[in-house]
Amino acid sequence: QVQLVQSGAEVKKPGASVKVSCKASGYTFTSYYMHWVRQAPGQGLEWMGIINPSGGSTSYAQKLQGRVTMTRDTSTSTVYMELSSLRSEDTAVYYCARGYGHYGDAFDIWGQGTMVTVSS
Amino acid sequence: QSALTQPPSASGSPGQSVTISCTGTSSDVGGYNYVSWYQQHPGKAPKLMIYEVSKRPSGVPDRFSGSKSGNTASLTVSGLQAEDEADYYCSSYAGSNNLGFGTGTKVTVL
Repeated sequence: QVQLVQSGAEVKKPGASVKVSCKASGYTFTSYYMHWVRQAPGQGLEWMGIINPSGGSTSYAQKLQGRVTMTRDTSTSTVYMELSSLRSEDTAVYYCARGYGHYGDAFDIWGQGTMVTVSS
Repeated sequence: QSALTQPPSASGSPGQSVTISCTGTSSDVGGYNYVSWYQQHPGKAPKLMIYEVSKRPSGVPDRFSGSKSGNTASLTVSGLQAEDEADYYCSSYAGSNNLGFGTGTKVTVL
């Protein structure tokens, strides 16, 4: 079946970096955009950016420009999201989500989420 | 990109209807027919309920419907059921490969 499986929870110190993986299965990896979305504890959803697994092109939320990098490995059908210069406000559940619809702007399949905790 | 505006809460009795609004600008909701709605139960990943303003993915009950007028999109849940109690978020394409989410609405089934 179509699924996205993410890497496990992380605990990082302020200033460090974190890299979260998202392995896709059950569909043609290069045929769908992949998005990253995060949710701080008790808060709403925040769109972080998008990667085209076919060519590797990316677009990031302005707020995270310069700190976030999304990459992909087509040989393993895996996308990665790396966030640097972590601060306490980056504590959140991070989700990968497959792009759906004419413009790939809707998210039809979600990973299980990865909790990233930033604490000294 | 500012968050799209949703009411913090909405409620209805079983069998009734509830409508949630999602207000943006002409640069997002009003400028594109790429509005989606998500349902999120506590501790779970969101689930796509509506995409491209009014389309339902396979498996979503037809009790869920979407519409848009100007800069405001709406999600209506008809025939409320206990399992519809959840948080609901809208999202909209905002041009230049940018997307934004709404502030979220907690729906309570009385």
